[in-house]
Amino acid sequence: RKEVEQDPGPFNVPEGATVAFNCTYSNSASQSFFWYRQDCRKEPKLLMSVYSSGNEDGRFTAQLNRASQYISLLIRDSKLSDSATYLCVVSLQTGANNLFFGTGTRLTVIP
Amino acid sequence: NAGVTQTPKFQVLKTGQSMTLQCAQDMNHEYMSWYRQDPGMGLRLIHYSVGAGITDQGEVPNGYNVSRSTTEDFPLRLLSAAPSQTSVYFCASNHRGHTDTQYFGPGTRLTVL
Repeated sequence: RKEVEQDPGPFNVPEGATVAFNCTYSNSASQSFFWYRQDCRKEPKLLMSVYSSGNEDGRFTAQLNRASQYISLLIRDSKLSDSATYLCVVSLQTGANNLFFGTGTRLTVIP
Repeated sequence: NAGVTQTPKFQVLKTGQSMTLQCAQDMNHEYMSWYRQDPGMGLRLIHYSVGAGITDQGEVPNGYNVSRSTTEDFPLRLLSAAPSQTSVYFCASNHRGHTDTQYFGPGTRLTVL
């Protein structure tokens, strides 16, 4: 069983749309949660950490549901530049280096 | 700062050949890691290091060796390349306790024939 599971998509949405991605994790002892963004043939880059209380960064909102063991990412007012693959990432220990990556959800924003 | 650099960008090997993927960072990060990324698998941790002279295995260490003689460098050695090691390899670094700010290198695309 994979540590982290994501819907691979692709999600094709028009500019200005709102889109949501979910991811589930298998280990209830997981401590830290992140969303990374990866552009085609590039390295992953941290988009945002995910906190229990939920957090927002501009058009991006991340939520964590520990009881159901899922993490979500909401993108409002989608831009063409949001087209990328979004990776859900989980760590068993705060500050540890053993990260578990989902396979990613591919988003294409269409003009 | 150059950040995390990796060489080479592309490499083709024949089965059984050995090679070293280079990784260097100039941010004085204590932690460094190697991942591989395969279609449908996500990134998987190969080996990591929490400081010079200290290394440990990740999820998929077989067929790879690492060493960390300096804070800056963390080379990954393929001992005897196999087609199953065809992948994109990413090196990453971060300050101790700051896993949320891992910085990744641009990757090495390796093909083993």
